[in-house]
Amino acid sequence: EAQVTQNPRYLITVTGKKLTVTCSQNMNHEYMSWYRQDPGLGLRQIYYSMNVEVTDKGDVPEGYKVSRKEKRNFPLILESPSPNQTSLYFCASSLTGSTEAFFGQGTRLTVV
Amino acid sequence: GESVGLHLPTLSVQEGDNSIINCAYSNSASDYFIWYKQESGKGPQFIIDIRSNMDKRQGQRVTVLLNKTVKHLSLQIAATQPGDSAVYFCAENSGYSTLTFGKGTMLLVSP
Repeated sequence: EAQVTQNPRYLITVTGKKLTVTCSQNMNHEYMSWYRQDPGLGLRQIYYSMNVEVTDKGDVPEGYKVSRKEKRNFPLILESPSPNQTSLYFCASSLTGSTEAFFGQGTRLTVV
Repeated sequence: GESVGLHLPTLSVQEGDNSIINCAYSNSASDYFIWYKQESGKGPQFIIDIRSNMDKRQGQRVTVLLNKTVKHLSLQIAATQPGDSAVYFCAENSGYSTLTFGKGTMLLVSP
């Protein structure tokens, strides 16, 4: 089954404790991206990757890092999480950045 | 946690009605548009797409209309069912290798 898998689904952490949210896709897609979704603000892109070892900032990259060492994986790293990063996060993949995006189930992160 | 549905425009319909959800897009150079459905607790799911060389496209119970003159996109759902209750987003590709998403509309279907 074609899918994008994120882990964990739910995470509560404390300010400043580094965390990683994993994302994996099995569709051999070139393009992967991370979004955060907040009430009233919709989906905002954090980072995207057009291919292995190629990553670029989206609209709201501050406080986040990503890496793309393999085509299938695109982890999101918060080196020092802060409460304003409490949000619902989605990973997505697609053939290119301008084609249908397939989304993971989401990770609800709470930073206290 | 707070639902992503809060603060969104809401369309309430009765089961069996036809629903029309609208979206205004920003970039006249956008050449590809997608409608997504997001159910509570899930990620957005693709419904239907349309390219700018078309003005209408039909799927199963859904139709997307594109009016490039006024930069407007609409999603029509025929014979709306309770299972259609969700948040619906439009997305546009404006040529910068990324999709830009609208904020969404919540559709509530009453039995």
